[in-house]
Amino acid sequence: QLQLQESGPGLVKPSETLSLTCTVSGGSISSNSYYWGWIRQPPGKGLEWIGTIYYSGSPYYNPSLKSRVTISVDTSTNQFSLKLSSVTAADTAVYYCARLNWGSAPYFDHWGQGTLVTVSS
Amino acid sequence: EIVLTQSPGTLSLSPGERATLSCRASQSVSSSYLAWYQQKPGQAPRLLIYGASSRATGIPDRFTGSGSGTDFTLTISRLEPEDFAVYYCQQYGSSLLTFGGGTKVEIK
Repeated sequence: QLQLQESGPGLVKPSETLSLTCTVSGGSISSNSYYWGWIRQPPGKGLEWIGTIYYSGSPYYNPSLKSRVTISVDTSTNQFSLKLSSVTAADTAVYYCARLNWGSAPYFDHWGQGTLVTVSS
Repeated sequence: EIVLTQSPGTLSLSPGERATLSCRASQSVSSSYLAWYQQKPGQAPRLLIYGASSRATGIPDRFTGSGSGTDFTLTISRLEPEDFAVYYCQQYGSSLLTFGGGTKVEIK
């Protein structure tokens, strides 16, 4: 059974960099047809796609966040990571990692439980 | 960037009633690239429908996805107590993904 688990600080200061890691278990991050992504959800609001990466390819980012986001993959540890720089209170959200199934159509079929990141001094 | 607009924002219905949720795209979306998710409070979203009309594994057949082009619909034929939740549509196009703003289905 594939599982994803987010980890990282729950509190980040304004102007600093938010760093999260997603650990994939029960399957290989190097599997064909699967991409890996980050999605966030501010408290009480909807879902926002942050970016997606294939284990051997270049990442794709939400244009609204592109200048501040870096997503990377580490196949040796079966993890992928998110870095979001110059954070403000508007970046406070639950951050989810998820697997994007790209077999016949792109959809997120497995999600982590999510981790709340608060931006505050 | 394709914008997805979901309506209504909130749907107040009773168990056993039919729910019809709309997802409208600002540009035409390939039917293969439209998905629906259900999210309950404190939980991660769960995939319901992909490819506009294919149910994900374990999803009951009371959930039906339909539509093409710019207009897509999620229908719940008879609402069960566990179906009261927020529903999101999601599309893929030009290497970018977007979610709709969500429709909350609440108990009347």
